[in-house]
Amino acid sequence: QSALTQPRSVSGSPGQSVTISCTGTSSDVGGYNYVSWYQQHPGKAPRLMIYDVTKRPSGVPDRFSGSKSANTASLTISGLQAEDEASYYCSSYAGSYTFVVFGGGTKLTVL
Amino acid sequence: EVQLVESGGQLVQPGGSLRLSCTASGFAFSNYAMTWVRQAPGKGLEWVSTISGSGSSTFYADSVKGRCTISRDYSKNTLYLQMNSLRAEDAAVYYCAKALLPGTIVIEGFDIWGQGTMVTVSS
Repeated sequence: QSALTQPRSVSGSPGQSVTISCTGTSSDVGGYNYVSWYQQHPGKAPRLMIYDVTKRPSGVPDRFSGSKSANTASLTISGLQAEDEASYYCSSYAGSYTFVVFGGGTKLTVL
Repeated sequence: EVQLVESGGQLVQPGGSLRLSCTASGFAFSNYAMTWVRQAPGKGLEWVSTISGSGSSTFYADSVKGRCTISRDYSKNTLYLQMNSLRAEDAAVYYCAKALLPGTIVIEGFDIWGQGTMVTVSS
């Protein structure tokens, strides 16, 4: 069982928006503004899409956005495209003992 | 080009040992915390261990604590993970990853990942 809880799957049609939730506790997601999101295509390494809850690294389309409320973070993908079909993982810094936790991952299907 | 290249993964018997390596290039290796993350077949990502840029601080997941040691060699720009007393549940692709920001042990994100190296534990 992963430390952060994500839905196992979500889906949407091209052009639509989808939101993936990531629920933790006050010791991780709720306690720090260090939530990050990763995209992973099959057989590939993860790619950083969002860091510090809302920030996008250079090269990540602005269709990807992040937010947080209390112990739940969210990744929203607007204007879905076929290449967005992948697994998405959230992660949070969790202090000097637990350190880093990941969610179980969400499989996004573009219909 | 900023790059991480892992090596060392192989088939090992339960109870055996293995050392994974991750060679870094294209950035100031000593300025960044480095991390190992693993992914069992068909499963999600699991944080394994992190070492600070200076090497003075190390952190381990409970699942590997006491069995694994993370280290780094600045002369070779290489990160290591020594794994002992391997179990079936340690079988996974092991990725090394670079911390996004320099000079801090707080992980705000991992911006560079290697391609991964596969560890298989079986008799």
